[in-house]
Amino acid sequence: SQELEQSPQSLIVQEGKNLTINCTSSKTLYGLYWYKQKYGEGLIFLMMLQKGGEEKSHEKITAKLDEKKQQSSLHITASQPSHAGIYLCGTIQGAQKLVFGQGTRLTINP
Amino acid sequence: GAVVSQHPSRVICKSGTSVKIECRSLDFQATTMFWYRQFPKQSLMLMATSNEGSKATYEQGVEKDKFLINHASLTLSTLTVTSAHPEDSSFYICSARRFVEKLFFGSGTQLSVL
Repeated sequence: SQELEQSPQSLIVQEGKNLTINCTSSKTLYGLYWYKQKYGEGLIFLMMLQKGGEEKSHEKITAKLDEKKQQSSLHITASQPSHAGIYLCGTIQGAQKLVFGQGTRLTINP
Repeated sequence: GAVVSQHPSRVICKSGTSVKIECRSLDFQATTMFWYRQFPKQSLMLMATSNEGSKATYEQGVEKDKFLINHASLTLSTLTVTSAHPEDSSFYICSARRFVEKLFFGSGTQLSVL
């Protein structure tokens, strides 16, 4: 089965700094999702990437899918306390079910 | 607004009792819904795929007799944790696909078994 590995697993940055979270797949990605979550709450859909080389942005968050479609990165510019949470990448397996990487816990220090 | 409603958001029960969690798709029909489980500081683990009108498909290692899933209509799936024990305490969350590329999640249910 396809596995997703996220790095780093935990990240602490100073407010205002940029940061990057990576998601690497053991197989070709045919759809890569990024979600944000605070533990004990629901998931917030951020972006979905499908094409190799694709890049999407939402406010200060940019996600890319590399040309070979086996890695995606999520970049946050000028981080704010509101960016704190757990970031999850996910991909579709078996045509319909979404499975996730282990998550990256982001802490923003004021 | 929310497109997937999950209820209850929090439940505390005694060991040995059963707990039912509901997941509803609002203003759209979902032939397939998904149930996940999450432990503190861990990612979401897919438990099962709920199919309307047929049996759920469980992931390896998930006890189907322990976690009963019923998808009786196109807008409702339920997860029943039977004979709950403290080790079943966890955050449970459902999701439903609205469009081909979008999967919406409920707000989750925090289950605490005493």
